[in-house]
Amino acid sequence: QSALTQPPSASGSPGQSVTISCTGTSSDVGAYNYVSWYQQHPGKAPKLMIYDVSKRPSGVPYRFSGSKSGNTASLTVSGLQAEDEADYYCSSHGGSNNLGVFGGGTKLTVL
Amino acid sequence: EVQLVESGGGLVQPGGSLRLSCAASGFTLISYNMNWVRQAPGKGLEWVSYISSSSSTTFYADSVRGRFTISRDNAKNSLYLQMNSLRDEDTAVYYCTRGVMATISGWYFDLWGRGTLVTVSS
Repeated sequence: QSALTQPPSASGSPGQSVTISCTGTSSDVGAYNYVSWYQQHPGKAPKLMIYDVSKRPSGVPYRFSGSKSGNTASLTVSGLQAEDEADYYCSSHGGSNNLGVFGGGTKLTVL
Repeated sequence: EVQLVESGGGLVQPGGSLRLSCAASGFTLISYNMNWVRQAPGKGLEWVSYISSSSSTTFYADSVRGRFTISRDNAKNSLYLQMNSLRDEDTAVYYCTRGVMATISGWYFDLWGRGTLVTVSS
């Protein structure tokens, strides 16, 4: 069982927006502004999409945004495109007892 | 080109050992903390181990603590993972990942290798 809880699946039509949640505890997501999100296409290595809750690395489209409220973080993909279909994982700093924690992943389907 | 390239994976029997290597290029390794992350077949990501830029601090997931050892050689631009007492559940693709710069606070993996497959089976 993963430390962070994500919905197993999400979907939307091209052009629509979809939000993926990531729920942790007051020891990880709620304790640090160090939530990150990763996109993984089949057979490929993950790619950093969001870090420090809401920051976008260079080259990541503005369509990807992140936020956090309490123990739950969210990734929103606006203006869905076919290439956004992938698995998405959240991660958080978990403190010294469990330094790095991941969510179980969400499979995003573009209908 | 900025990249990480893992090597050393393969088939090993339960109870055996394996040493993974990760070659960094295109950036100064000593400037970054580094991690290993793994992914079992068809499963999600699992953080495995962390090492600070100077090797002064290491952390391990509960699932591997006492069996795995992370190390680095900044002069050789290399990261390592020594895996002992391997179990079936250690079967996974192991990714070498770059963490935050040593001079800042944070937690993310901004550069990933392609991974190396470790299969533990008799």
